[in-house]
Amino acid sequence: DQQVKQNSPSLSVQEGRISILNCDYTNSMFDYFLWYKKYPAEGPTFLISISSIKDKNEDGRFTVFLNKSAKHLSLHIVPSQPGDSAVYFCAASHSGTYKYIFGTGTRLKVLA
Amino acid sequence: KAGVTQTPRYLIKTRGQQVTLSCSPISGHRSVSWYQQTPGQGLQFLFEYFSETQRNKGNFPGRFSGRQFSNSRSEMNVSTLELGDSALYLCASRLGQGRTGELFFGEGSRLTVL
Repeated sequence: DQQVKQNSPSLSVQEGRISILNCDYTNSMFDYFLWYKKYPAEGPTFLISISSIKDKNEDGRFTVFLNKSAKHLSLHIVPSQPGDSAVYFCAASHSGTYKYIFGTGTRLKVLA
Repeated sequence: KAGVTQTPRYLIKTRGQQVTLSCSPISGHRSVSWYQQTPGQGLQFLFEYFSETQRNKGNFPGRFSGRQFSNSRSEMNVSTLELGDSALYLCASRLGQGRTGELFFGEGSRLTVL
């Protein structure tokens, strides 16, 4: 049972435009969420996180939005750059566990 | 500050063999987690250790095991390898005892089972 879902395996966006990556979760106990970026032949690197007490967190070009009622979070990248082309993973955890549950990833391609 | 180091980076085994992968966390990090990445499955959680104790285990068969040493270095072992065990195995460390916080990943060990 995939508790964290990224339903779009891939996404293409023009350079300078907004990239929106989506993530849905099924476990209402999840209260901490993260986004990671992964380039080929490298380990994932942390981008941004959000706690369930907030509905938005911003860091430079990256903003994460959390909609708890819909069990949905999204990552916005504005403006998108070719160097943002990578696989993006969302992850979630809840109290009582020390593990993060990751989604299956979305491959973003930013076209120059 | 050195990052998370995983060895070996690549290895090829045959069915039925066993394999041991090693992970050295960032200095000062006491929590080490292991994940399996396969195409279409994302990162599947294997286990997490803190101060030599396994705090969480994922839904993998008993052929997958791990341990952590007093210096926080960790190893994972897969016995009786199957073709489906071919994957990228990622180790991640984080600083603390708490359940939140950024995971720092290594580059992974890519295992191919023939």
